[in-house]
Amino acid sequence: QQPVQSPQAVILREGEDAVINCSSSKALYSVHWYRQKHGEAPVFLMILLKGGEQKGHDKISASFNEKKQQSSLYLTASQLSYSGTYFCGTEIGGGSNYKLTFGKGTLLTVNP
Amino acid sequence: DAGITQSPRHKVTETGTPVTLRCHQTENHRYMYWYRQDPGHGLRLIHYSYGVKDTDKGEVSDGYSVSRSKTEDFLLTLESATSSQTSVYFCAISRSGPGTQYFGPGTRLLVL
Repeated sequence: QQPVQSPQAVILREGEDAVINCSSSKALYSVHWYRQKHGEAPVFLMILLKGGEQKGHDKISASFNEKKQQSSLYLTASQLSYSGTYFCGTEIGGGSNYKLTFGKGTLLTVNP
Repeated sequence: DAGITQSPRHKVTETGTPVTLRCHQTENHRYMYWYRQDPGHGLRLIHYSYGVKDTDKGEVSDGYSVSRSKTEDFLLTLESATSSQTSVYFCAISRSGPGTQYFGPGTRLLVL
């Protein structure tokens, strides 16, 4: 079952912040975040494992609340280069489960 | 960038014809995935492989088959193409399942 991402789309001005959420109805082992620019392939951003960890990459960070089966991606002081569609991918169970289930994506547009 | 290519990059075919898409990697990664991407649906897993000759179904596998006879190649076959299979197809590779996935450039398939 696909995780649910919200919002579906968000428009920002350069320098503003945004939060993208990803939630699942199933117990998660890990959450993966990817970004896809228009006409290109998705690119990996980060992985969060169960344990409630947070990670950061430049001004993009994420958290994972395994009790709520939710992850949030935080984009701080957005730049034009942050524009694109963000996908979360969820892993259920771990162990011999080798696949991810991706959400439908969140379209982020950063304007000057 | 991970060494992953897809061929063909674009294809137009007619309903009822068989079509084979190829994914080739030079990274010696164990795991390989086929996704389709359609507006409003995000990335959906078709089939994946966790080793040579080891494959399994994803969430949208009906009408598709795969084969992996060597580490570097993962073939996706549409047995009898239908218009509903018009899509962008992405291949992805991963060293550990379902760890960091590196996506190929994609194949645009149009079924008339």
